[in-house]
Amino acid sequence: AQTVTQSQPEMSVQEAETVTLSCTYDTSESDYYLFWYKQPPSRQMILVIRQEAYKQQNATENRFSVNFQKAAKSFSLKISDSQLGDAAMYFCAYRAGGGADGLTFGKGTHLIIQP
Amino acid sequence: GAGVSQSPRYKVAKRGQDVALRCDPISGHVSLFWYQQALGQGPEFLTYFQNEAQLDKSGLPSDRFFAERPEGSVSTLKIQRTQQEDSAVYLCASSTRVPTDTQYFGPGTRLTVL
Repeated sequence: AQTVTQSQPEMSVQEAETVTLSCTYDTSESDYYLFWYKQPPSRQMILVIRQEAYKQQNATENRFSVNFQKAAKSFSLKISDSQLGDAAMYFCAYRAGGGADGLTFGKGTHLIIQP
Repeated sequence: GAGVSQSPRYKVAKRGQDVALRCDPISGHVSLFWYQQALGQGPEFLTYFQNEAQLDKSGLPSDRFFAERPEGSVSTLKIQRTQQEDSAVYLCASSTRVPTDTQYFGPGTRLTVL
């Protein structure tokens, strides 16, 4: 079974600074997808960024980028120029390719932005 | 267009009652997923539909949990004889043609069983 591990229950960063959230996963699959979702206190889960395992290039979405290390099974999220609106729970998620499986989530990292 | 909607947003049930939670996916989305999110945890997969077919229900924790999507659009998650351990947020997500497409989540239903 696939597992996703987020080892940082909570992270704090000063506004405008850069923060990196860690995620590791375990799978025997070669084809899969990785995601970072943001869940603000309002509870609605919002997709931040997505990475296909077959792509070597790291995904980037504006201030958000990932460091995808396939051999190490590591998928970290870097947030640049942190803003107050970035404060939320961040979940790393895994999904096998080709099948009809749901997402496997980590336990989340609570990101605090210090003004 | 409208996102995924869920109702009710909050539900309080007495232990032993039956509850029904509704999910309206994004129009045209073929795939629909249900997740259970306990307090302080990440969501856990419950079940998956493609159109009206329930293709995976391996995550349903017991036979008290039942989901349906009879016309391939709206879905209902039913929990019979609720127990305290069923207290959680129930999230619904939908995606386009194939399961590997990005899943878009609804706001969830917070179920509290007393």
